[in-house]
Amino acid sequence: QVQLVESGGGLVKPGGSLRLSCAASGFTFSDHYMSWIRRAPGKGLEWVSYISRSGTPRYYADSVKGRYTISRDNAKSSLFLQMDSLRAEDTAVYYCARLAPDNSSPSFDYWGQGTVVTVSS
Amino acid sequence: SYIVTQPPSVSVAPGQTAKVTCGGNSIGTRSVHWYQQKPGQSPVLVVYDDRDRPSGIPERFSGSNSGNTATLTVSRVEAGDEADYYCQVWDSSTDHPVFGGGTKLTVL
Repeated sequence: QVQLVESGGGLVKPGGSLRLSCAASGFTFSDHYMSWIRRAPGKGLEWVSYISRSGTPRYYADSVKGRYTISRDNAKSSLFLQMDSLRAEDTAVYYCARLAPDNSSPSFDYWGQGTVVTVSS
Repeated sequence: SYIVTQPPSVSVAPGQTAKVTCGGNSIGTRSVHWYQQKPGQSPVLVVYDDRDRPSGIPERFSGSNSGNTATLTVSRVEAGDEADYYCQVWDSSTDHPVFGGGTKLTVL
């Protein structure tokens, strides 16, 4: 069965950095676009970034562009999110999600359990 | 950028039918996906491509999309359906996915 397991969350000071990881299993990782989505406390879901099967192209929400970098290692079935220059408003649960295949407007068909990122001094 | 709008809340009695709407300019020309998120849990895809259900999702969940409104319908609502529901589309001008603000479904 499809499994996505995030790790790397934690407490970090404003201006700091954090690297999230997502370990995938139960499917052919290199066949799928992958994404990060977050939910801040008291807010709704916000798409953060997604990456193509090969690693390029990559897309970012305006709120994180220039500060976050998404990457993947297909050999290790892993997805990453490098988060730099973190701000208080980046505090959220971060989810790794798989994009459904073969669709020009795909859904996010599987989600991980999430990892908590707290940015506070 | 493309914007989709959801009502903040919908309330329904057990056994009745709940309708959660997602509004957007000519949204009927786009594919709409719906997610359910219960407190403390990850989101789950309940309807994709306007009206299709992933395996394991009860038939009580259905979707429609026409004109400027897409609708998620939950029939014979149960207490366990209480959750936040989000619609999602793609903004073709940016190649970015867009989520609605979410609707909290309360079972009275």
